[in-house]
Amino acid sequence: EAQVTQNPRYLITVTGKKLTVTCSQNMNHEYMSWYRQDPGLGLRQIYYSMNVEVTDKGDVPEGYKVSRKEKRNFPLILESPSPNQTSLYFCASSFREGEKLFFGSGTQLSVL
Amino acid sequence: GENVEQHPSTLSVQEGDSAVIKCTYSDSASNYFPWYKQELGKGPQLIIDIRSNVGEKKDQRIAVTLNKTAKHFSLHITETQPEDSAVYFCAATMNQAGTALIFGKGTTLSVSS
Repeated sequence: EAQVTQNPRYLITVTGKKLTVTCSQNMNHEYMSWYRQDPGLGLRQIYYSMNVEVTDKGDVPEGYKVSRKEKRNFPLILESPSPNQTSLYFCASSFREGEKLFFGSGTQLSVL
Repeated sequence: GENVEQHPSTLSVQEGDSAVIKCTYSDSASNYFPWYKQELGKGPQLIIDIRSNVGEKKDQRIAVTLNKTAKHFSLHITETQPEDSAVYFCAATMNQAGTALIFGKGTTLSVSS
């Protein structure tokens, strides 16, 4: 089944403790992206990648890192999480940028 | 950069009624306008999209219209059903390398039976 898989679904952590949210797609998509969803703010792009080893900042990149060493994986790294990063995070992929986006099921992160 | 405004933020209709959600965009260079539906506890899913060379597109009970001159596009759902209840997002992009898909803030649609 074609899908974008994120893990974990739920995560509670404390300020400053490094964490990684994994994302994997099995559709051979070139384009991958991370969004955060906050009430009243919709979906805002954090980082995106147009292909392996090519990443770039979205609208709200501060406090996040990503890497794209393999085509299928695009992990989101929070090196020193802060409470304002408490949010619902979505990974998405598409064959190319600007085409139909497939979203993962989301990761609800709480930073205490 | 692109800015997308979406209205209304909440919409309640009776089963069988029509629902309309409207979006405006700021960048006249935008040429791709998708709509996503997000059900509770799930990620957004594309339900319909339209490109700037087309004025209207239909898929069963769902239609999208685009007015490039006024820079607005709308989602129309006819004969609404309870399973249409969800959050709907519009988005716009120039569809060029390095340009992001910009989302509206979402509309929560509630269909009561």
